[in-house]
Amino acid sequence: QKEVEQNSGPLSVPEGAIASLNCTYSDRVSQSFFWYRQYSGKSPELIMSIYSNGDKEDGRFTAQLNKASQYVSLLIRDSQPSDSATYLCAVKGDDGYALNFGKGTSLLVTP
Amino acid sequence: DTGVSQDPRHKITKRGQNVTFRCDPISEHNRLYWYRQTLGQGPEFLTYFQNEAQLEKSRLLSDRFSAERPKGSFSTLEIQRTQHEDSAVYLCAISRCIYNEQFFGPGTRLTVL
Repeated sequence: QKEVEQNSGPLSVPEGAIASLNCTYSDRVSQSFFWYRQYSGKSPELIMSIYSNGDKEDGRFTAQLNKASQYVSLLIRDSQPSDSATYLCAVKGDDGYALNFGKGTSLLVTP
Repeated sequence: DTGVSQDPRHKITKRGQNVTFRCDPISEHNRLYWYRQTLGQGPEFLTYFQNEAQLEKSRLLSDRFSAERPKGSFSTLEIQRTQHEDSAVYLCAISRCIYNEQFFGPGTRLTVL
């Protein structure tokens, strides 16, 4: 079974700090990695995608991928209270079309 | 706006009834997915369409579930003889051919009494 693991949290960080969210996956042939943000009562919103080892930056967000360690992370710089949400890690293997999601990490940014 | 609408947004039904949900991509996207999400869990994949062809189905999709995508545009998901455990948010997602990024619609929340 292909598993995607995330710490459920809640992860609490003060406003302005860096929030670090982590995800590990079990399927070594995974090729595509995504981070979604989900506010309570809303559907998941794609915020980052990453396909190759290393870092990818987009505004305050940085995704980091290490395929050898089967590890992907999301850094949020200058965290804002509006960043408080559940962050879902999703992984796609090479053998299908489905995204496998973790259970999500709840992030709380306190003013 | 992700370019996907879903209808209805909420559905309450009694156990044993049939329900049907609809997903409408606003623009042309040849890849369409259905997922199900319960409280505290990430979305779980149900099925995938490329144009009108249903190319992948999850083992989660029991024979009470059926999905269609006639003409490769909108899609419907039907649940027959609903059970309490079918209560969830049913999410539709779309992606373009060259990218694998999936964009979700607002979802349909199903409550089975």
